[in-house]
Amino acid sequence: DSGVTQTPKHLITATGQRVTLRCSPRSGDLSVYWYQQSLDQGLQFLIQYYNGEERAKGNILERFSAQQFPDLHSELNLSSLELGDSALYFCASSVGGSPETQYFGPGTRLLVL
Amino acid sequence: GENVEQHPSTLSVQEGDSAVIKCTYSDSASNYFPWYKQELGKRPQLIIDIRSNVGEKKDQRIAVTLNKTAKHFSLHITETQPEDSAVYFCAAFDSGTYKYIFGTGTRLKVLA
Repeated sequence: DSGVTQTPKHLITATGQRVTLRCSPRSGDLSVYWYQQSLDQGLQFLIQYYNGEERAKGNILERFSAQQFPDLHSELNLSSLELGDSALYFCASSVGGSPETQYFGPGTRLLVL
Repeated sequence: GENVEQHPSTLSVQEGDSAVIKCTYSDSASNYFPWYKQELGKRPQLIIDIRSNVGEKKDQRIAVTLNKTAKHFSLHITETQPEDSAVYFCAAFDSGTYKYIFGTGTRLKVLA
């Protein structure tokens, strides 16, 4: 157990819908990263937050947005869902924004029908 | 921006043999290189990492080497066991953009 929690574990929804994925970092970690992993694919970096502020942006679609709250938990919002958004979404956390070990959560498996 | 290439994409070895996975990166500003092991449907788990001021690091049967000049780093697993079977990802941390860029993964199969 890495100490990073993600909810829900599984999510099934329809095209056009909107969902929110939640991540709680390890105690003391200020940075949260979001990744998308499609079937048999690598990890695509979406976005990073550090202490409530957006720090880095990757290949995140305009339909997706995220935020990190004062208690440091983070939410990833996915809207106007398409079939191709079906994937595993991982959150990871680290102490700060410098090169430090990232610890991954268990992931949320999203299925868009 | 940073780009990480990983080879091979699949690797089959006999139990007890060694396995080597190689990654190359493009941005000389990258200064931290972790390796993750991911079992099917599970989270990526860090198995070893190396910083740019170190050339080699070892942890029991696992070692990582870094060649900054050539911009490549490799994962070495000795005395492989069936439980080593998984997908392995390399990554590079780009200190200019604060992004971790991952390789495309290597599916390692250890044959008993």
